Amino acid sequence: DSGVTQTPKHLITATGQRVTLRCSPRSGDLSVYWYQQSLDQGLQFLIQYYNGEERAKGNILERFSAQQFPDLHSELNLSSLELGDSALYFCASSAGPSGGSTDTQYFGPGTRLTVL
Amino acid sequence: AQTVTQSQPEMSVQEAETVTLSCTYDTSESDYYLFWYKQPPSRQMILVIRQEAYKQQNATENRFSVNFQKAAKSFSLKISDSQLGDAAMYFCASQGGSQGNLIFGKGTKLSVKP
Repeated sequence: DSGVTQTPKHLITATGQRVTLRCSPRSGDLSVYWYQQSLDQGLQFLIQYYNGEERAKGNILERFSAQQFPDLHSELNLSSLELGDSALYFCASSAGPSGGSTDTQYFGPGTRLTVL
Repeated sequence: AQTVTQSQPEMSVQEAETVTLSCTYDTSESDYYLFWYKQPPSRQMILVIRQEAYKQQNATENRFSVNFQKAAKSFSLKISDSQLGDAAMYFCASQGGSQGNLIFGKGTKLSVKP
């Protein structure tokens, strides 16, 4: 158990809908990262938050957004869903804001999103 | 931009034998970190081993060790005394010192034969 929790484990929805994925980082970790794992794109970085502020953006679509709350949990919002958004979405947390010996990322169990 | 390449989509090893998974990377960062993550059928991403680029000594974690060749930008993972529970996808990843996000390779699927 990494200490990172994600809910829900599975989500099935229809095209055009909006969903929210939730992540709670390990105790004491200030950074939250979101990654998408799909068959065709592999593991891709979406976005990072550090202590409530957006720190880095990767290949995140405009239909997707995220935020980190004062209690440090994070939510990833996916809207106007398309079939191609079906994927495993991971949240990872680390202590600090960037690469460093203390900033190893620990992953949650993921949320499997299926868009029908 | 950072890139990570895993050229072996699949590998197989006999139980109790040793196997080496290959990874090459490219980065413009002077300070960076390299990782191997394991993803078993449960899909959980599990950290296997980490290497700081500034350290010449190869990292070791029990049966797992790396061969880090900085000049060649190579970072291979050696699994000794392979066990059935080692069967999984293995991802190589890099992390630049100034950026926190991980860049992943496409993975190597390891099968362990009893």
